[in-house]
Amino acid sequence: EDQVTQSPEALRLQEGESSSLNCSYTVSGLRGLFWYRQDPGKGPEFLFTLYSAGEEKEKERLKATLTKKESFLHITAPKPEDSATYLCAVLMNYGGATNKLIFGTGTLLAVQP
Amino acid sequence: GAVVSQHPSWVICKSGTSVKIECRSLDFQATTMFWYRQFPKQSLMLMATSNEGSKATYEQGVEKDKFLINHASLTLSTLTVTSAHPEDSSFYICSALRGGATQYFGPGTRLLVL
Repeated sequence: EDQVTQSPEALRLQEGESSSLNCSYTVSGLRGLFWYRQDPGKGPEFLFTLYSAGEEKEKERLKATLTKKESFLHITAPKPEDSATYLCAVLMNYGGATNKLIFGTGTLLAVQP
Repeated sequence: GAVVSQHPSWVICKSGTSVKIECRSLDFQATTMFWYRQFPKQSLMLMATSNEGSKATYEQGVEKDKFLINHASLTLSTLTVTSAHPEDSSFYICSALRGGATQYFGPGTRLLVL
């Protein structure tokens, strides 16, 4: 069964305390892995797309990496404004023109000043 | 950028009424849009895929007669919740597909059915 699992469910960090969020997946026909940030009461905000194992992308304090089985979102020296839920999603091809995103349950990150 | 808007941002209605939610891609054309539903502290659940000029594709368990989707143009998709009931209260989010792979999401619409 296709599955996307994120860990931990929640993470509390002190400002400046670096850490990593994990997204593991067991899917067939992977076409890409996406990271989104979601603030309370808002829609997800696109962060990164990763397409192949070994690929890395960076944006400010965030860095996403991808292996054949999992992806990590590294947060370096986080600030309180990085507090949000981080969602991982896998893009699959079920055939035809439809490309579905399968979301993980997210990691709720709280960064304390 | 890739901006997607939704209207309204929140709506309160009486049980039995119908509610229409609009999703617009403001700075790009989207042949494919998606509608999701999100319950508190849960992740996004795909309801349906909306393709411009054709019928929407619904996920298993989603009633197509209750959640009517119309993708009339390359920048607009609408979701109509017909005969809404309290159990339909939720956070509805749309997304628009750009570049063939990346979905850009709207800000969401919170529906409360009394």
